[in-house]
Amino acid sequence: ETGVTQTPRHLVMGMTNKKSLKCEQHLGHNAMYWYKQSAKKPLELMFVYSLEERVENNSVPSRFSPECPNSSHLFLHLHTLQPEDSALYLCASSQAPGQGTTGNTIYFGEGSWLTVV
Amino acid sequence: QKEVEQNSGPLSVPEGAIASLNCTYSDRGSQSFFWYRQYSGKSPELIMSIYSNGDKEDGRFTAQLNKASQYVSLLIRDSQPSDSATYLCAVGARSSASKIIFGSGTRLSIRP
Repeated sequence: ETGVTQTPRHLVMGMTNKKSLKCEQHLGHNAMYWYKQSAKKPLELMFVYSLEERVENNSVPSRFSPECPNSSHLFLHLHTLQPEDSALYLCASSQAPGQGTTGNTIYFGEGSWLTVV
Repeated sequence: QKEVEQNSGPLSVPEGAIASLNCTYSDRGSQSFFWYRQYSGKSPELIMSIYSNGDKEDGRFTAQLNKASQYVSLLIRDSQPSDSATYLCAVGARSSASKIIFGSGTRLSIRP
C-alpha cells in the first residue's frame, strides 16, 4: 500500500467510449501526476498539478483530459482513444515540489492497465 | 540527446556480487535525482534519492552523484535474486520543480 490509490486497476474500452481513471492520495501531498508507461519506452510525464503550477506535456493528445478538483484527487478523462494508447497509466503524488529538497520525491500508485480495442 | 539515459541491459550479476547501474542526464541545472525499482507488472517504488555530490548509503544500496559529469549511479551490494528488476533513474528538471524525467530503465538479473 503506497498511499496512492488508483481505480480501476484494469480497463478495456472501445475507441468510441468515454471513461475516466481515478486517483486518490492519502499522504497529505500537494502535487499529483499522471504518467504513461508503454512497453519498452520510458515513463512519460503527461500532467502535473501542484499548488504552484499545472504542467502539461504538449505532446499528449487532447483525447486525454485531466481534472484535479482538490489536492487529494486526480482524474484522467479518456475519449475516442486509439489502440496505441493502450498502456499502464500511473498516478503519483509528491509533498511540495522544490528543487534540492525532498519535496519533489514522487510516490506511485499501483497503476491502471488500459487496453483500447 | 535523451534527457536521462540508461543502458537498457539486461545486466547479469552473480548472487552476492555488486551490481552497478549507471545513468547520465542532460540538464546541467538538475538538483534532484532518484532511483526507482520496478518489478514486472508492478509500479515503480522509490529506492533512493540524492541531492548532493558524493555518496549516499542506505543498507545494501549506495547512490553516487557527480553533477560536474552529469552522472548518477546505484550500487547494490550482496546482490540477491529478489533484486532482479528494472531500475529507473529519474531526474528533477531545472525548468520545473514538478517535472521529474525518467530514463528507460536498466533490467537487472541476479543469477543464483
